Amino acid sequence: QVQLVQSGAEVKKPGASVKVSCRGSGYTFTNYVISWVRQAPGQGLEWMGWVTSYNGNTNYAQNFQGRVTMTTDTFTDTAFMELRSLRSDDTAVFYCARGGDCGGGSCHPFDYWGQGTLVTVSS
Amino acid sequence: SYELTQPPSMSVSPGQTARITCSGDALPKQYVYWYQQKPGQAPVMVIYKDNERPSGIPERFSGSSSGTIVTLTISGVQAEDEADYYCQSADSSGSYVVFGGGTKLTVL
Repeated sequence: QVQLVQSGAEVKKPGASVKVSCRGSGYTFTNYVISWVRQAPGQGLEWMGWVTSYNGNTNYAQNFQGRVTMTTDTFTDTAFMELRSLRSDDTAVFYCARGGDCGGGSCHPFDYWGQGTLVTVSS
Repeated sequence: SYELTQPPSMSVSPGQTARITCSGDALPKQYVYWYQQKPGQAPVMVIYKDNERPSGIPERFSGSSSGTIVTLTISGVQAEDEADYYCQSADSSGSYVVFGGGTKLTVL
């Protein structure tokens, strides 16, 4: 069965960086993009961008361009999301999800999600 | 920036029908996807491409579209349907994912 398993919770100070991992299993990892979605406490879902291990291409949401880097490791079928210059309002649960590449009027849906990683930014 | 608009909340009694709307200027040209999220859990897709239901999702969940408004309908609402519901589509460029603000469904 398809699974996305994320790394554990993190506590960071303002100005630091965090790198969250997401390991896929049960499917051909290179056939799908991995998106990252942020959810602040009590707030809605915010798409951050996607990365594909097929050729390393990325597509970042404008709100995160310049501050986020998404990469993959095809040997371990793992995607990574690094967010820099952390602020207190970056405190959130970060989800990885399969899908999110759009074109021609449709998107590959987010059909599988990781369990979420809580990142707390506090001095 | 492009936005999808949902009502923040709604409440229905068990057995009634809940209709959650999602509006956006690009929706006539972009499919909509719906996700259900319960507290402390990751979202689950309940409708894709406006009106298709994934396997394992109960038949009481359905979707429809009309111009710039897409609707998630839950017929015969059950207590277990109490959750946040998010619509998702692409922006007018067709390249970037956009989520609606979410609708909190309360089952009275």
